[in-house]
Parts: sequence; C-alpha cells; structure tokens
Amino acid sequence: AQRVTQPEKLLSVFKGAPVELKCNYSYSGSPELFWYVQYSRQRLQLLLRHISRESIKGFTADLNKGETSFHLKKPFAQEEDSAMYYCALRGETSGSRLTFGEGTQLTVNP
Amino acid sequence: KAGVTQTPRYLIKTRGQQVTLSCSPISGHRSVSWYQQTPGQGLQFLFEYFSETQRNKGNFPGRFSGRQFSNSRSEMNVSTLELGDSALYLCASSLGLAFGIQYFGAGTRLSVL
Repeated sequence: AQRVTQPEKLLSVFKGAPVELKCNYSYSGSPELFWYVQYSRQRLQLLLRHISRESIKGFTADLNKGETSFHLKKPFAQEEDSAMYYCALRGETSGSRLTFGEGTQLTVNP
Repeated sequence: KAGVTQTPRYLIKTRGQQVTLSCSPISGHRSVSWYQQTPGQGLQFLFEYFSETQRNKGNFPGRFSGRQFSNSRSEMNVSTLELGDSALYLCASSLGLAFGIQYFGAGTRLSVL
C-alpha cells in the first residue's frame, strides 16, 4: 500500500522567513514524488517533481529515500506563496494514479 | 493550448438521482484520471482511462463508473446518489500511462441534497 503524510494542516510564517512543508511517504519500491499547489480560486497545478531536480518559484525538494521524505523548502517566503500545498506519490505499477497527502495550507504574513 | 476542461462546473442533484460529468483532456493527451476531493477525505483517486480502457481503479463503490471515447474525452457517472457523494470532482490528463505530468481541470462541484 502507498501512503503520503503531511503532518501540518496549517503553517503560518512571516514574509522573508524560511519555510519547510513536510512530506513523508510509505511505499515499498521506487516512487515518483510531486508537489502540487492550489492558489486561491485556481486549479491544482504541478509545482515540482523530484526527477526534475528543479527549483520552481524558489522552492526545492529533495527526495530522501532513507527517511522516506520529500520536504518542500524555500529560503525566503513571499506573500504570493500563500496557498494549499499537496505532496503526491506515483507508484511504479500505479499507471498515472497519484496518491495525495492531506495538504498543508501555507499562509505568509506581511 | 487549451487546458483540461470539465463540464458542468456546478451541479445540484437529489438523493437517488444519477449524474454524468464530462472531461476534455489537453489535446494530444491520452490518459484521463478522475479524483474526488472532499474536506474530510482529501483527494482520492477514482479511476484512470487510457485508450478507452480503464487501467486503474480506486476504492469506490460500483455506483461510480466511467468511460473514455476515441477522442480521449472522458465521462464519469455516479448512480443512486448519496449525500456523501457531495464533492469536487477533478479530472486530470497526461500524455500517457504512467509517464508525464498530470494536468488538472477546474473541477465539477456536485452537491447532493
């Protein structure tokens, strides 16, 4: 079975502060991990995926297979980063199926 | 390129009725997946279609069904609606099965009274 856990439902930081959204997963193979973001009144969209190893909008995420984690980090949060963030996993034999975490609502205060 | 289009955007039904939701994927995308989003359960996978065949199915009762047409457009149907079926239903498309990024539609908000 595959499972994704985001321990924080709500996260509030001040503008310019570092932010880390935690994601842990359970999967007995080599998964593909994603972070999706949903801004207010917008559709769910991909932020980044671990195989790309990119930095999008200043966000990075490193897959730690030993700790089965895929935490999302940004050194200096901006107000426009306020959104709902979902961590998702795709298994090797799951087709395109994504298993999502419960989501973390990030609020960046001025 | 147009994004994933879902129709209708909003639906109000009563218990016992059935409903059909439609999804038009991004041009060239052949895989369509459906998800249910609720405040209590979050985002849950319903099923995936590729080349007009259901390839994956989540843990939902048989009242939830779907199909895909030769142009990759997909529909999902929920029969004998229950109050608990009230949710946002999201459709996502990707180029192929098990590869490519999933792009999501804006969703259909279903309210069951």
